[in-house]
Amino acid sequence: GAGVSQSPRYKVAKRGQDVALRCDPISGHVSLFWYQQALGQGPEFLTYFQNEAQLDKSGLPSDRFFAERPEGSVSTLKIQRTQQEDSAVYLCASSLLGISGNTIYFGEGSWLTVV
Amino acid sequence: SQELEQSPQSLIVQEGKNLTINCTSSKTLYGLYWYKQKYGEGLIFLMMLQKGGEEKSHEKITAKLDEKKQQSSLHITASQPSHAGIYLCGADSGGSNYKLTFGKGTLLTVNP
Repeated sequence: GAGVSQSPRYKVAKRGQDVALRCDPISGHVSLFWYQQALGQGPEFLTYFQNEAQLDKSGLPSDRFFAERPEGSVSTLKIQRTQQEDSAVYLCASSLLGISGNTIYFGEGSWLTVV
Repeated sequence: SQELEQSPQSLIVQEGKNLTINCTSSKTLYGLYWYKQKYGEGLIFLMMLQKGGEEKSHEKITAKLDEKKQQSSLHITASQPSHAGIYLCGADSGGSNYKLTFGKGTLLTVNP
Protein backbone atom coordinates (compact mmCIF):
# COMPACT_ATOMS: atom_id res chain seq x y z
CA GLY A 1 0.00 0.00 0.00
CA ALA A 2 0.87 3.66 -0.13
CA GLY A 3 1.72 3.96 3.53
CA VAL A 4 1.89 2.11 6.82
CA SER A 5 -1.60 1.03 7.81
CA GLN A 6 -2.66 0.27 11.38
CA SER A 7 -5.86 -1.17 12.78
CA PRO A 8 -7.89 -0.63 14.77
CA ARG A 9 -7.41 3.14 14.94
CA TYR A 10 -9.22 3.26 18.28
CA LYS A 11 -9.75 0.54 20.85
CA VAL A 12 -11.39 0.69 24.24
CA ALA A 13 -10.63 -2.36 26.34
CA LYS A 14 -11.82 -3.35 29.77
CA ARG A 15 -9.06 -4.00 32.25
CA GLY A 16 -7.99 -7.60 31.99
CA GLN A 17 -9.05 -7.98 28.37
CA ASP A 18 -6.60 -9.08 25.67
CA VAL A 19 -6.06 -6.84 22.63
CA ALA A 20 -4.37 -7.28 19.26
CA LEU A 21 -3.09 -4.39 17.18
CA ARG A 22 -2.26 -4.91 13.52
CA CYS A 23 0.33 -3.23 11.33
CA ASP A 24 0.60 -3.43 7.55
CA PRO A 25 3.99 -1.99 6.56
CA ILE A 26 4.88 -0.54 3.21
CA SER A 27 5.34 -3.33 0.69
CA GLY A 28 8.96 -4.41 0.38
CA HIS A 29 10.08 -2.86 3.66
CA VAL A 30 12.37 -5.21 5.54
CA SER A 31 12.39 -3.31 8.84
CA LEU A 32 9.38 -2.91 11.10
CA PHE A 33 9.24 -1.06 14.40
CA TRP A 34 6.71 -0.67 17.21
CA TYR A 35 6.63 2.37 19.49
CA GLN A 36 4.45 3.35 22.42
CA GLN A 37 3.49 7.00 22.93
CA ALA A 38 1.92 8.17 26.17
CA LEU A 39 0.02 11.45 26.25
CA GLY A 40 2.37 14.43 26.13
CA GLN A 41 5.45 12.29 25.59
CA GLY A 42 7.60 11.30 22.66
CA PRO A 43 7.32 7.78 21.23
CA GLU A 44 9.27 5.07 23.06
CA PHE A 45 10.79 2.06 21.34
CA LEU A 46 9.12 -1.29 21.96
CA THR A 47 10.49 -3.79 19.47
CA TYR A 48 12.19 -4.25 16.08
CA PHE A 49 11.80 -6.81 13.31
CA GLN A 50 14.01 -7.47 10.33
CA ASN A 51 11.86 -9.58 8.03
CA GLU A 52 10.30 -12.17 10.34
CA ALA A 53 13.10 -12.07 12.90
CA GLN A 54 12.50 -10.11 16.08
CA LEU A 55 15.96 -8.68 16.68
CA ASP A 56 15.20 -6.54 19.70
CA LYS A 57 12.30 -6.68 22.14
CA SER A 58 14.01 -4.87 24.96
CA GLY A 59 11.42 -2.08 25.04
CA LEU A 60 8.40 -4.28 25.70
CA PRO A 61 7.18 -3.17 29.16
CA SER A 62 6.28 -6.60 30.50
CA ASP A 63 5.73 -10.22 29.52
CA ARG A 64 2.09 -9.30 28.82
CA PHE A 65 3.31 -7.70 25.60
CA PHE A 66 4.05 -9.90 22.62
CA ALA A 67 4.81 -9.02 18.99
CA GLU A 68 5.13 -11.16 15.92
CA ARG A 69 5.70 -10.87 12.19
CA PRO A 70 5.44 -14.48 11.03
CA GLU A 71 5.78 -13.97 7.27
CA GLY A 72 7.94 -10.89 7.29
CA SER A 73 5.17 -8.50 6.32
CA VAL A 74 2.13 -7.89 8.56
CA SER A 75 2.88 -7.58 12.26
CA THR A 76 0.67 -7.92 15.32
CA LEU A 77 1.28 -6.46 18.76
CA LYS A 78 -0.66 -8.35 21.40
CA ILE A 79 -1.28 -7.16 24.92
CA GLN A 80 -2.62 -9.68 27.40
CA ARG A 81 -4.62 -8.82 30.52
CA THR A 82 -4.56 -5.09 29.75
CA GLN A 83 -3.94 -2.64 32.58
CA GLN A 84 -4.75 1.05 32.79
CA GLU A 85 -1.09 1.97 32.37
CA ASP A 86 -1.19 0.34 28.93
CA SER A 87 -3.38 3.20 27.68
CA ALA A 88 -1.36 4.90 24.96
CA VAL A 89 -0.97 5.30 21.23
CA TYR A 90 0.84 2.38 19.64
CA LEU A 91 2.76 3.42 16.55
CA CYS A 92 4.08 1.10 13.89
CA ALA A 93 6.77 2.16 11.44
CA SER A 94 8.66 0.59 8.56
CA SER A 95 11.73 1.26 6.44
CA LEU A 96 13.61 -0.37 3.58
CA LEU A 97 16.31 -1.56 5.98
CA GLY A 98 17.30 -0.02 9.28
CA ILE A 99 17.30 3.70 9.87
CA SER A 100 20.71 4.94 8.80
CA GLY A 101 20.21 6.79 5.55
CA ASN A 102 16.65 5.52 5.22
CA THR A 103 13.35 7.24 5.84
CA ILE A 104 11.24 5.66 8.55
CA TYR A 105 7.54 5.84 7.74
CA PHE A 106 5.06 5.84 10.61
CA GLY A 107 1.45 4.74 10.60
CA GLU A 108 -1.32 6.81 12.18
CA GLY A 109 -1.27 4.75 15.33
CA SER A 110 -3.70 2.65 17.33
CA TRP A 111 -5.18 4.52 20.28
CA LEU A 112 -5.72 2.15 23.19
CA THR A 113 -7.79 3.18 26.19
CA VAL A 114 -8.07 0.72 29.05
CA VAL A 115 -11.02 1.34 31.35
CA SER B 1 21.24 5.83 27.33
CA GLN B 2 20.81 8.74 25.01
CA GLU B 3 18.47 11.54 26.01
CA LEU B 4 17.10 14.28 23.81
CA GLU B 5 15.93 17.56 25.22
CA GLN B 6 13.71 19.80 23.13
CA SER B 7 13.15 23.49 23.70
CA PRO B 8 10.88 25.22 24.00
CA GLN B 9 8.21 22.76 25.19
CA SER B 10 5.57 24.93 23.55
CA LEU B 11 5.51 27.96 21.33
CA ILE B 12 2.80 30.36 20.21
CA VAL B 13 3.59 32.62 17.27
CA GLN B 14 1.72 35.00 15.03
CA GLU B 15 1.31 33.94 11.43
CA GLY B 16 4.21 35.21 9.34
CA LYS B 17 6.76 35.12 12.15
CA ASN B 18 9.94 33.03 12.11
CA LEU B 19 10.68 30.52 14.82
CA THR B 20 13.32 28.04 15.94
CA ILE B 21 13.04 24.75 17.83
CA ASN B 22 16.11 23.15 19.37
CA CYS B 23 17.03 19.57 20.09
CA THR B 24 20.02 18.82 22.32
CA SER B 25 21.57 15.43 22.93
CA SER B 26 23.56 14.16 25.88
CA LYS B 27 25.68 12.12 23.47
CA THR B 28 26.97 12.34 19.90
CA LEU B 29 24.17 12.07 17.39
CA TYR B 30 24.61 9.30 14.82
CA GLY B 31 21.55 10.39 12.92
CA LEU B 32 18.97 13.04 13.73
CA TYR B 33 15.39 12.91 12.47
CA TRP B 34 12.72 15.58 12.59
CA TYR B 35 9.05 14.62 12.54
CA LYS B 36 5.79 16.52 12.76
CA GLN B 37 2.73 15.12 14.48
CA LYS B 38 -0.79 16.44 14.49
CA TYR B 39 -2.96 15.47 17.46
CA GLY B 40 -4.45 12.05 16.93
CA GLU B 41 -2.29 11.27 13.93
CA GLY B 42 0.96 9.56 13.15
CA LEU B 43 4.40 11.05 12.62
CA ILE B 44 5.17 12.78 9.34
CA PHE B 45 8.82 12.66 8.29
CA LEU B 46 10.39 16.07 7.73
CA MET B 47 14.15 15.69 7.47
CA MET B 48 17.10 13.48 8.33
CA LEU B 49 20.58 14.81 9.18
CA GLN B 50 23.67 12.69 9.54
CA LYS B 51 26.80 14.74 9.03
CA GLY B 52 28.18 17.42 11.31
CA GLY B 53 27.39 20.85 9.90
CA GLU B 54 24.71 19.46 7.61
CA GLU B 55 21.78 21.67 6.70
CA LYS B 56 18.65 20.71 4.79
CA SER B 57 15.65 22.70 3.67
CA HIS B 58 12.19 21.82 2.48
CA GLU B 59 9.78 24.58 1.61
CA LYS B 60 9.95 26.97 4.56
CA ILE B 61 11.58 24.57 7.01
CA THR B 62 15.34 24.35 7.53
CA ALA B 63 17.09 21.88 9.82
CA LYS B 64 20.74 22.00 10.89
CA LEU B 65 23.02 19.65 12.74
CA ASP B 66 25.92 21.31 14.52
CA GLU B 67 29.55 20.41 13.87
CA LYS B 68 29.88 18.53 17.13
CA LYS B 69 26.74 16.54 16.32
CA GLN B 70 25.09 17.12 19.66
CA GLN B 71 22.54 19.75 18.78
CA SER B 72 20.05 20.30 15.99
CA SER B 73 17.73 23.19 15.23
CA LEU B 74 14.59 23.41 13.15
CA HIS B 75 13.79 26.82 11.73
CA ILE B 76 10.48 27.81 10.17
CA THR B 77 10.34 30.96 8.09
CA ALA B 78 7.15 32.98 7.70
CA SER B 79 5.04 30.53 9.71
CA GLN B 80 1.55 29.57 8.59
CA PRO B 81 -1.35 27.93 10.45
CA SER B 82 -0.54 24.74 8.52
CA HIS B 83 2.76 24.55 10.40
CA ALA B 84 0.94 24.04 13.69
CA GLY B 85 1.49 20.72 15.42
CA ILE B 86 3.99 18.85 17.56
CA TYR B 87 7.57 18.73 16.34
CA LEU B 88 9.62 15.76 17.48
CA CYS B 89 13.31 15.12 17.12
CA GLY B 90 14.56 11.55 17.16
CA ALA B 91 18.07 10.12 17.19
CA ASP B 92 19.61 6.79 16.40
CA SER B 93 20.19 5.42 19.87
CA GLY B 94 23.84 4.48 20.23
CA GLY B 95 24.28 3.89 16.53
CA SER B 96 22.02 0.83 16.62
CA ASN B 97 20.63 1.47 13.13
CA TYR B 98 17.13 0.60 14.29
CA LYS B 99 16.27 2.19 17.62
CA LEU B 100 15.15 5.81 17.72
CA THR B 101 15.12 7.83 20.91
CA PHE B 102 12.71 10.77 20.78
CA GLY B 103 12.47 14.05 22.60
CA LYS B 104 9.20 14.99 24.28
CA GLY B 105 8.21 17.28 21.46
CA THR B 106 7.53 20.98 20.94
CA LEU B 107 3.93 22.07 20.55
CA LEU B 108 3.66 24.85 17.98
CA THR B 109 0.58 27.05 17.69
CA VAL B 110 0.36 29.56 14.86
CA ASN B 111 -2.28 32.25 15.29
CA PRO B 112 -3.78 33.71 12.12
